[in-house]
Amino acid sequence: DIQMTQSPSSLSASVGDRVTITCRASQSIGTFLNWYQQRPGKPPNLLIYGASVLQSGVPSRFSGSGFGTDFTLTISSLQPEDFATYYCQQCYSALALTFGGGTTVDIK
Amino acid sequence: QVQLQESGPGLVKPSETLSLTCTVSGGSSSSYSWSWIRQPPGKGLELIGYIYNSGGTKYNPSLKSRVTISVDTSKNQFSLKVSSVTAADTAVYYCARVMMTTVKTDGYYSYYYMDVWGKGTTVTVSS
Repeated sequence: DIQMTQSPSSLSASVGDRVTITCRASQSIGTFLNWYQQRPGKPPNLLIYGASVLQSGVPSRFSGSGFGTDFTLTISSLQPEDFATYYCQQCYSALALTFGGGTTVDIK
Repeated sequence: QVQLQESGPGLVKPSETLSLTCTVSGGSSSSYSWSWIRQPPGKGLELIGYIYNSGGTKYNPSLKSRVTISVDTSKNQFSLKVSSVTAADTAVYYCARVMMTTVKTDGYYSYYYMDVWGKGTTVTVSS
């Protein structure tokens, strides 16, 4: 199975900061990588698929990049509603869409 | 647009079977693939499995022997059963639609993702 490792597991940031979250796959997955945001008490919300394709309705301050084993989710200017936990998910193996362990972004 | 709602008992006794249903509104359960995901308290997301619109299923290997996912198109619902539950099965259970989009860049690539989620239902395993 493909393992997904996110770093850091948590970070503290301020409104307006640029935030970067990393996800690493245990084997090359091309661009088969999704990102989700989960606010407390809510279900996850799809942000990005295909490593860099923004889901409809997602603000443009979110962006994704990467190929192979290393991927990045960037929030260009952190907003109050962005304090949440972020998960990556590989979709290279369509039969096993495994998630990373999550990165929690909280207020500094 | 498609909306999903989980339902089922919030408390299940150890060794019994957990049964949940996800009701689909705003769309047909026969038109898409569907999944179940769970999240233990304070932990991350775990994919339980999914059922394709063709009827085929795929389960997380760690749960495979205890899990069954099925669809009832007449009721526009799909369901989850987890047998022989223990306290480790205590979690928020989510149902979600699995979508596939094909993107053309230097070739054609088909990406799978969960784009519509239910609000989740908490299941506690306790005697």
